[in-house]
Amino acid sequence: DAGVIQSPRHEVTEMGQEVTLRCKPISGHNSLFWYRQTMMRGLELLIYFNNNVPIDDSGMPEDRFSAKMPNASFSTLKIQPSEPRDSAVYFCASTTISGANVLTFGAGSRLTVL
Amino acid sequence: KQEVTQIPAALSVPEGENLVLNCSFTDSAIYNLQWFRQDPGKGLTSLLLIQSSQREQTSGRLNASLDKSSGRSTLYIAASQPGDSATYLCAVDYSNYQLIWGAGTKLIIKP
Repeated sequence: DAGVIQSPRHEVTEMGQEVTLRCKPISGHNSLFWYRQTMMRGLELLIYFNNNVPIDDSGMPEDRFSAKMPNASFSTLKIQPSEPRDSAVYFCASTTISGANVLTFGAGSRLTVL
Repeated sequence: KQEVTQIPAALSVPEGENLVLNCSFTDSAIYNLQWFRQDPGKGLTSLLLIQSSQREQTSGRLNASLDKSSGRSTLYIAASQPGDSATYLCAVDYSNYQLIWGAGTKLIIKP
């Protein structure tokens, strides 16, 4: 398996632009997580999907952020409009919710908003 | 409030030494605890997962222990190598998906 695949790896955009980050989880995993990592706040859970259904989006910062999971093999995280404070590394992770929930992370998408 | 603390924030040791990284948590009603490694500019890699009912897990030169009563976990690295240099994060699972993360320990192994 190629692991959790994220794209793009790096994105530089200007304030106000729309940003879409993409994630392909590991085949067979039924849970998907979007995290944001910054030096100041560390790792923050943004949203969690189980069987393609959003279970907990309480970590989504504000209405500018939205996430979708149209099927078991694809998810997007969208920021519209983007702001400089959104600059961070965004990670996608997947697992199967069972007795041992070992999270597998993607390599991350580094977002810089100018 | 459920909190996870990792001490020290950074550690530098000579190659070959055995070392211990610490993780403490405030709420002992955990589901499991995981140790991750993060290399600069990379994602996180799961190293070891300890279930609530377990005391320790081993993988190669790594051994993780769990003491729920004292709210502590340790990650022991034997015979450290320069390739072990990374940030090590502890994450406590309380609710089957909501991990509470420590801030990490940045480890540098000097050749």
